[in-house]
Amino acid sequence: EPEVTQTPSHQVTQMGQEVILRCVPISNHLYFYWYRQILGQKVEFLVSFYNNEISEKSEIFDDQFSVERPDGSNFTLKIRSTKLEDSAMYFCASSDVGRQGVDYGYTFGSGTRLTVV
Amino acid sequence: AQKITQTQPGMFVQEKEAVTLDCTYDTSDQSYGLFWYKQPSSGEMIFLIYQGSYDEQNATEGRYSLNFQKARKSANLVISASQLGDSAMYFCAMREGGSGNTPLVFGKGTRLSVIA
Repeated sequence: EPEVTQTPSHQVTQMGQEVILRCVPISNHLYFYWYRQILGQKVEFLVSFYNNEISEKSEIFDDQFSVERPDGSNFTLKIRSTKLEDSAMYFCASSDVGRQGVDYGYTFGSGTRLTVV
Repeated sequence: AQKITQTQPGMFVQEKEAVTLDCTYDTSDQSYGLFWYKQPSSGEMIFLIYQGSYDEQNATEGRYSLNFQKARKSANLVISASQLGDSAMYFCAMREGGSGNTPLVFGKGTRLSVIA
């Protein structure tokens, strides 16, 4: 079964450093997403991406965050200057366009646990 | 207002028994989708079941079924014949709108513990 792959699985970084979280979505999916889950809390939407541009973003996704699809397969989330409160699990997801009303749902990666110290 | 409400922070169930995890939602859209995900202690998000707003029959996937009551705006997950491996966090989520580019909104989750 096709998978969304995220690397690394765990990253520890110093406050103020830049981090790049990487994702390889399912190859024929068109929509890509980043979500975040602070430990013990609910999963929150950050940003969605379609046709090489951001289609929607939440209030969490401020100027410190950026996304990019640098080639045909990777989808990255960059945090420019990490803060302690950026410590969370970050999930990448992808989805396909529904055909004839069929919803193919969202496939999530296994997540990257980011720890800012 | 919360879009997805899961009122049970934690639930216990005896192995082999059935359990219902509650989820209510709030939307003014006619077209929407409802999802349940399982998150074990390892952290990944595992898709369990989907119900579309126009689906007339309740969704079923193996031991999982979704009790969809549209008028009450509820989409409860029923797990039959619970197994120890079912112990995990369970999240209800909703996608508003007709197709697959609208972000999911998640509830706060219910932690299910299955007791031997």
